[in-house]
Amino acid sequence: AAGVIQSPRHLIKEKRETATLKCYPIPRHDTVYWYQQGPGQDPQFLISFYEKMQSDKGSIPDRFSAQQFSDYHSELNMSSLELGDSALYFCASSGQGAAGGRDEQYFGPGTRLTVT
Amino acid sequence: AQSVTQLDSHVSVSEGTPVLLRCNYSSSYSPSLFWYVQHPNKGLQLLLKYTSAATLVKGINGFEAEFKKSETSFHLTKPSAHMSDAAEYFCVVSDPNFGNEKLTFGTGTRLTIIP
Repeated sequence: AAGVIQSPRHLIKEKRETATLKCYPIPRHDTVYWYQQGPGQDPQFLISFYEKMQSDKGSIPDRFSAQQFSDYHSELNMSSLELGDSALYFCASSGQGAAGGRDEQYFGPGTRLTVT
Repeated sequence: AQSVTQLDSHVSVSEGTPVLLRCNYSSSYSPSLFWYVQHPNKGLQLLLKYTSAATLVKGINGFEAEFKKSETSFHLTKPSAHMSDAAEYFCVVSDPNFGNEKLTFGTGTRLTIIP
């Protein structure tokens, strides 16, 4: 079965540079979530999109922005990168569950961003 | 606000012995609860989920968890540990009834299996 695809898998950037992470959800999933997992930390929710509209916002810095496109893929744009942005960035997707609510979130393999 | 507390940051068990990873939750309504596993340098895999159906939930790889509302607990168990179970385990909560589908993770429990 198709899974969530994230690209790139690894990314190295210097301080003050920009980075763009991409996420391709499971086919027919309409919601995308972004999480950040720092070294030795638990994943923290950043932002989510439902049907191309922002649906929830967590601890996402103002330097970051994201959007969901018409084909439901999503991009996380990160500017003025700082050393503390080094982390594993997960994308997850979900669709409508059988009972009408949301199905569980399926995670991609993550993008490891290293800022030097 | 929703939150989960994983009571042990590190658990070590011998291969073939039972596993118990403890989790307590706090939620303003009827939450959805999950256990995710993360192997080293890998992504997050769903082990099992509770969404107000049966209180005893069976997951993959022989894991199960029991939702106990009176104790606000959702402990993860497995009768017999295998070496491949060594990983980081996250207890996770969401509150879909309030339209809050974001996942809130616990701080994780690192499970070590002793040969």
